[in-house]
Amino acid sequence: GQQLNQSPQSMFIQEGEDVSMNCTSSSIFNTWLWYKQDPGEGPVLLIALYKAGELTSNGRLTAQFGITRKDSFLNISASIPSDVGIYFCAGLGSASYDKVIFGPGTSLSVIP
Amino acid sequence: NAGVTQTPKFRVLKTGQSMTLLCAQDMNHEYMYWYRQDPGMGLRLIHYSVGEGTTAKGEVPDGYNVSRLKKQNFLLGLESAAPSQTSVYFCASSRLTEAFFGQGTRLTVV
Repeated sequence: GQQLNQSPQSMFIQEGEDVSMNCTSSSIFNTWLWYKQDPGEGPVLLIALYKAGELTSNGRLTAQFGITRKDSFLNISASIPSDVGIYFCAGLGSASYDKVIFGPGTSLSVIP
Repeated sequence: NAGVTQTPKFRVLKTGQSMTLLCAQDMNHEYMYWYRQDPGMGLRLIHYSVGEGTTAKGEVPDGYNVSRLKKQNFLLGLESAAPSQTSVYFCASSRLTEAFFGQGTRLTVV
């Protein structure tokens, strides 16, 4: 079946550094979503991307929908301690959420 | 505005016991979902519902049943719990492509 790969699996960075992570698939998706999960909480939607090539920002976060529609990227600028958590990408091949595929997540740790 | 609320937050079951997890949403969303989250495996869809009175199987439905008698509630049942069902369970509701998740239920089956 469809699978998403996220890299890196985990990251340890110094506060103030920029962060880059990506999500790749062998399948084409029409929508890419990026979620963040704080420890002990449910995932929260950060950014949604709907068109190939689209670049969308949400504060210090910027995400891009890859041109091939098989990948997406998330960047975090000037990281702060509250950025700690697990970042999940998710892809949809159709408009209904039951077909969403989640990646395994990238765990981010920020060292003050 | 509570969003998506899951009950209980923690539970320990013995093998063979049954239990029901409750999910309630106050956003009038048609779609509701149950996921399980296991280390390194992301979120896997167990069952979902596209409206009151409807349910459908997701990626990993075996060992679980669901019911959606009211639009705002989605129940997940385990009839005979097994250790393989030890996981964190998340409920979500959505309008179109943006889903909102509950805080999760951590279930341990011993």
